[in-house]
Amino acid sequence: SFVLTQSPPVSVAPGQTATITCGGDEIGTKSVHWYQQKPGQAPVLVVHDDSDRPSGIPERFSGSTSWSTATLTINRVEVGDEADYYCQVWDRGVEHPVVFGGGTKLTVL
Amino acid sequence: QLQLQESGSRLVKPSQTLSLTCDVSGVSIDGSSYSWIWLRQPPGKGLEWIGYIYDTGNTYYNQSLKSRLSLSVDTSKNQFFLSLTSVTAADTAVYYCARGSWGSAIDSWGQGTLVTVSS
Repeated sequence: SFVLTQSPPVSVAPGQTATITCGGDEIGTKSVHWYQQKPGQAPVLVVHDDSDRPSGIPERFSGSTSWSTATLTINRVEVGDEADYYCQVWDRGVEHPVVFGGGTKLTVL
Repeated sequence: QLQLQESGSRLVKPSQTLSLTCDVSGVSIDGSSYSWIWLRQPPGKGLEWIGYIYDTGNTYYNQSLKSRLSLSVDTSKNQFFLSLTSVTAADTAVYYCARGSWGSAIDSWGQGTLVTVSS
């Protein structure tokens, strides 16, 4: 089944830029979605379809993709951005169509 | 505004059946083209897709759970359901119901409910 591999935990100071990557075979051919999950809360969609932001998500959050890697970039990081971030795709393989990355912890110093 | 709310057994004994209900409000399941999804997250771990169901009753299951899993829907009550048999401690997790559609983002999530498997 399709596998998504996320980057290790990242620590940044407020005001800096955080970059989280998600690798997968030919991921550029799929739509990648990104979720933010704070402790004790349900995930919240922050980027969909590679680079689109839902209503209410700050412009500081942006997404991009290449052939093999999707990237979530958070500019001007704030303390409130500290969370786990997950990438997700749908895969046409029948056995496991909904695929998540393992998650990346963002710590704001 | 769409809202989803999980309810059901919070403590289940090993080998018994875990049953959850997702109440949907703000949009009708009937006639929608959405996937109504169940996911879970073991304590301290990542998200795992369990399965999803359409208003027609068509289902898609995580193959690793398929032998123990049953999803159903009641469009008249705007609810969908999860039943997982023969549970073990490995099934202890926060269970989420959610909405999505194939290829698109999972755009709405319930708050999640912690289910503990323990004697």
